[in-house]
Amino acid sequence: DAKTTQPTSMDCAEGRAANLPCNHSTISGNEYVYWYRQIHSQGPQYIIHGLKNNETNEMASLIITEDRKSSTLILPHATLRDTAVYYCIVRVGGTASKLTFGTGTRLQVTL
Amino acid sequence: KAGVTQTPRYLIKTRGQQVTLSCSPISGHRSVSWYQQTPGQGLQFLFEYFSETQRNKGNFPGRFSGRQFSNSRSEMNVSTLELGDSALYLCASSPFRGDRGTLEQYFGPGTRLTVT
Repeated sequence: DAKTTQPTSMDCAEGRAANLPCNHSTISGNEYVYWYRQIHSQGPQYIIHGLKNNETNEMASLIITEDRKSSTLILPHATLRDTAVYYCIVRVGGTASKLTFGTGTRLQVTL
Repeated sequence: KAGVTQTPRYLIKTRGQQVTLSCSPISGHRSVSWYQQTPGQGLQFLFEYFSETQRNKGNFPGRFSGRQFSNSRSEMNVSTLELGDSALYLCASSPFRGDRGTLEQYFGPGTRLTVT
């Protein structure tokens, strides 16, 4: 699986958009980008995934650069409940098991 | 639709004992994976089951084992518990989408195991 690099921590004001970057410069053509988050002491929560097109769902948007070497998860209107550790994971499609979680980005949403 | 459920939620065991944890996947999901989370090692993959067969296995000793039943429910067992086995054990289920395989995983709340 391609290695991912994320900032250790980020802050965001409540109501503003949170933009969480992820670098995956060694991604191969059949690898998807997945995003999960983990709120303290809970199980990780699936957010979104994509291959090469931008994706949007009720939780977030995923923007993948044209060369697919990086992506950004966007929480359009962050709330205090979005405070969590966000994990960017690259994995071959069809094999979403055996996920490798790095250290992720700790997002702190503040008033 | 009900989410992934894990029982028990909390467990305290003594070194040398064994423990069995249970996971009920989301209805219709046939793939179940197990992970261990500790402060030092983070989230680590243990194993995955699909249609009662182990498909993938992480780098854990043989004391860690699992199985899956015909209704997709899964159990994991840890024998001869060690202090280092204290962790949050997470179960995740995935919908199997034919030729697209398994995509997203949905995690349960976990079982927090404390070994004393």
